[in-house]
Amino acid sequence: SAVISQKPSRDICQRGTSLTIQCQVDSQVTMMFWYRQQPGQSLTLIATANQGSEATYESGFVIDKFPISRPNLTFSTLTVSNMSPEDSSIYLCSVTPAGSDTQYFGPGTRLTVL
Amino acid sequence: AQSVTQPDIHITVSEGASLELRCNYSYGATPYLFWYVQSPGQGLQLLLKYFSGDTLVQGIKGFEAEFKRSQSSFNLRKPSVHWSDAAEYFCAVGAGRRALTFGSGTRLQVQP
Repeated sequence: SAVISQKPSRDICQRGTSLTIQCQVDSQVTMMFWYRQQPGQSLTLIATANQGSEATYESGFVIDKFPISRPNLTFSTLTVSNMSPEDSSIYLCSVTPAGSDTQYFGPGTRLTVL
Repeated sequence: AQSVTQPDIHITVSEGASLELRCNYSYGATPYLFWYVQSPGQGLQLLLKYFSGDTLVQGIKGFEAEFKRSQSSFNLRKPSVHWSDAAEYFCAVGAGRRALTFGSGTRLQVQP
C-alpha cells in the first residue's frame, strides 16, 4: 500500500485567485493521478502525472487551468488557477505503488470558492 | 470506452440486515474491478478488488463481492450491516496501472 498526504486539507478561496495543492507519498511511485469530486458527484480524472514527463490531461481539463508539477517520484502539485465557484470540489491525488495494480488515494483537499 | 453503472443512488437498510450494492461495468478487455468506501469528510478507502481467479473476493470490514462476467457485474455484499457502514460506496474499473473510471456512487444509510 501507500501512505498519501495532501495539503491543505481544506481551503476557502476568493474568485480569481489560485490555489496549489500538494500531494506527498511515502514511497517512490511512477504514476500519480489527480481527480476532482464535485459536490454530490463521483470522481473524475483530471490528469495523469508521470515523473519526468508532461502531465496528460483528460478531455475538459487544460494545463492553463490545472497546471501540474511532478518534480520527483514522491511529490506532485496541482494548481487550480483563476478560480470560480464552479471549481468548488474535493481534489484527490492517487498513486499506484511499484509492483501493485491498486490505486490508493489521499485524504483529499476540500476547496470552496466564494 | 469503459463505464461503470451503479443503479442505486441511495439505499437505506436496518442495522443487522444484509446488504447488496449493485455495480455493472462496460470494458473492452479483462477488467480490474474495485470497491471503495468514502465516509463523510474522508478520502477513499479500498474495500476489495478483483483482478483474476476466484470470482468471489473477500475484503475488509466483512464485505465481499462477486464477479459475474456473463452479467458484467461486480456486486458488493455484506451479511449484516453495522451503523458504522453508513457511507458512500464507489465501484470502479480499470486496467493495470491506469487511471480508474468510477461509478456515480451509492449512498448507504443505516437505520437503528
